[in-house]
Amino acid sequence: DTEVTQTPKHLVMGMTNKKSLKCEQHMGHRAMYWYKQKAKKPPELMFVYSYEKLSINESVPSRFSPECPNSSLLNLHLHALQPEDSALYLCASSPKVGESSGANVLTFGAGSRLTVL
Amino acid sequence: GEDVEQSLFLSVREGDSSVINCTYTDSSSTYLYWYKQEPGAGLQLLTYIFSNMDMKQDQRLTVLLNKKDKHLSLRIADTQTGDSAIYFCAASNFNKFYFGSGTKLNVKP
Repeated sequence: DTEVTQTPKHLVMGMTNKKSLKCEQHMGHRAMYWYKQKAKKPPELMFVYSYEKLSINESVPSRFSPECPNSSLLNLHLHALQPEDSALYLCASSPKVGESSGANVLTFGAGSRLTVL
Repeated sequence: GEDVEQSLFLSVREGDSSVINCTYTDSSSTYLYWYKQEPGAGLQLLTYIFSNMDMKQDQRLTVLLNKKDKHLSLRIADTQTGDSAIYFCAASNFNKFYFGSGTKLNVKP
């Protein structure tokens, strides 16, 4: 299995809802990432988990709450979002942490397209 | 953080070569990457280059790196309509990957 699987593909939610985005990989990768991508913009890093521990939080508002239940799964819990949070949320994984022993290639999922009404 | 910049659009005819350019600011970036994104999809790795290399060739793809000027380019030979997509360069610093704004490549038949 060489894929990163994200569910759901599309999500529409109201500003008072609580929902979650899910990401799964079975490549034995040790780092997992959440990126946010607005239309016609590059992906922006939100969170990085290294060996199942949160290692990078790019000052993301607390209405986004990441969780890494095990080495294969990454969740993004959403609560009280704003319409400007509407975007494509991309999950990625990489085989290792850092580049001391070679390139650390990201494998991306297809994304979850979130619309906040 | 790192600033990565790319031109926004490139239009070429099928069969021509395409050259997509990228500049970055952090000279400590160890690897530089090129990713491709098709509509509604995630990013797919095309190739990468170690910062101590000048050039890397991989089938139709050639990456040139000028480390002194912090300039990276991706050349696609014999461009096909299936190459139409957005191309992102990325510079990395440990586990942080900084992406350029993306270059939309349009290939005309």
